[in-house]
Amino acid sequence: KAGVTQTPRYLIKTRGQQVTLSCSPISGHRSVSWYQQTPGQGLQFLFEYFSETQRNKGNFPGRFSGRQFSNSRSEMNVSTLELGDSALYLCASSQLTGIRANVLTFGAGSRLTVL
Amino acid sequence: AQKVTQAQTEISVVEKEDVTLDCVYETRDTTYYLFWYKQPPSGELVFLIRRNSFDEQNEISGRYSWNFQKSTSSFNFTITASQVVDSAVYFCALSGNTPLVFGKGTRLSVIA
Repeated sequence: KAGVTQTPRYLIKTRGQQVTLSCSPISGHRSVSWYQQTPGQGLQFLFEYFSETQRNKGNFPGRFSGRQFSNSRSEMNVSTLELGDSALYLCASSQLTGIRANVLTFGAGSRLTVL
Repeated sequence: AQKVTQAQTEISVVEKEDVTLDCVYETRDTTYYLFWYKQPPSGELVFLIRRNSFDEQNEISGRYSWNFQKSTSSFNFTITASQVVDSAVYFCALSGNTPLVFGKGTRLSVIA
C-alpha cells in the first residue's frame, strides 16, 4: 500500500514568487492535513481538507491557501513568498475527519527554501 | 488552548542506555488523545502510539514504553537499551477539540 506522496521534495524560490505543493494521500484516505515545520516554531497546523472542503484552518496569513480534488489529492499554494516561508511542509492523510483519535500518516515533506 | 511542552530539546546517550523523553500537556477538554511520533532524518513522521484520556494504563512495546499520568498531565516515553537506529526527533502531540497540536520535539542522539 503506497504511503503519502509529496511533490516536489525540494525546491528553491525567490522572494515574491509563488509555489504550489502537491500531496497524494493513502488510497482510501479522504482527509488531508498540512503542517509547516520550522526550527523556531516547530510543527504548525496549516489546514485540513475533507471531501474537497476545508474543515479547519490554522493561524496563517491569506497567502497560504489549499484545495482538495475529488480524488482526495491536495495542493497547497503560497503566494508572494517571504524568507520566513522557508520550511518543511508536511502533508498527512487519515480516513476520517473531525475525530480526535485519528492517526495521521505523514509524507516525507516538501522542503522549500526562499532566497 | 491546547499546549504540549517537551522541555528537553536535545538528549545524547550512549548505546544501550535507557532514556526517557518527557511530555507535559495542557487542555481543558475532558476527552482527548495523546500521541508520540518519531521523525528520522528522512523527514517523515512515523506514528508510535496513541492514548486516550480515559486510559491511564502504561504500555510497553518491545524496547518502548509509555507512562501516562493524568494527575501530572504527563505522557512520558522511555526507550530501554537504546540503539543507534533510535536517533531521531520525537514529538509528543495532543488532539482535543482542535487539530493535532505538537510539542517542539526532542532530538535524541544515540552514540555507538
